[in-house]
Amino acid sequence: EAGVTQSPTHLIKTRGQQATLRCSPISGHTSVYWYQQALGLGLQFLLWYDEGEERNRGNFPPRFSGRQFPNYSSELNVNALELEDSALYLCASSSYMNTEAFFGQGTRLTVV
Amino acid sequence: DAKTTQPPSMDCAEGRAANLPCNHSTISGNEYVYWYRQIHSQGPQYIIHGLKNNETNEMASLIITEDRKSSTLILPHATLRDTAVYYCIVRYSGGYQKVTFGIGTKLQVIP
Repeated sequence: EAGVTQSPTHLIKTRGQQATLRCSPISGHTSVYWYQQALGLGLQFLLWYDEGEERNRGNFPPRFSGRQFPNYSSELNVNALELEDSALYLCASSSYMNTEAFFGQGTRLTVV
Repeated sequence: DAKTTQPPSMDCAEGRAANLPCNHSTISGNEYVYWYRQIHSQGPQYIIHGLKNNETNEMASLIITEDRKSSTLILPHATLRDTAVYYCIVRYSGGYQKVTFGIGTKLQVIP
């Protein structure tokens, strides 16, 4: 069974540009979570999508946004990139609220 | 606003049991204790979870105190591949949306 897949693995952008990160959840999973992990820090909750709807977001500015498609895959968009947006962005999926989440391998975003 | 406290680092000799503690003194009745680990900045890997009772699976055992204010993850025979950052989190049955993973415990398994 395929796990959570994220693309691209690495992404280099210039300050002010936009970045789009993609996540495909495990088949059958309807919930997708996005986390940001800055170097040396813990994972910070970004967004939660379930059944195509944004259910909750963490303490991040509106330039962090996303969506979930009918096939439950998800995109994370980061507009007006800043240097401090450089981090590992992790996506996780779960089948419903009460189960464990499975993480992808992440997208390493570097803003220069 | 992390709800758990873990030591920042621990060492364990290869082949020995690794006991990783976690304090969650403000845990509420409907919150579960979950453990994940992260190797070399890869995606975190689920290990085990529990509510009240001790749990065991093929990877580890989870011991939760009777008052549920602390727990211990036990890796019975640590190997070099168990070197990782281990995260203890608490989450209620409503999902992961309010969960923040702290800095965890960096476990170094020594040959």
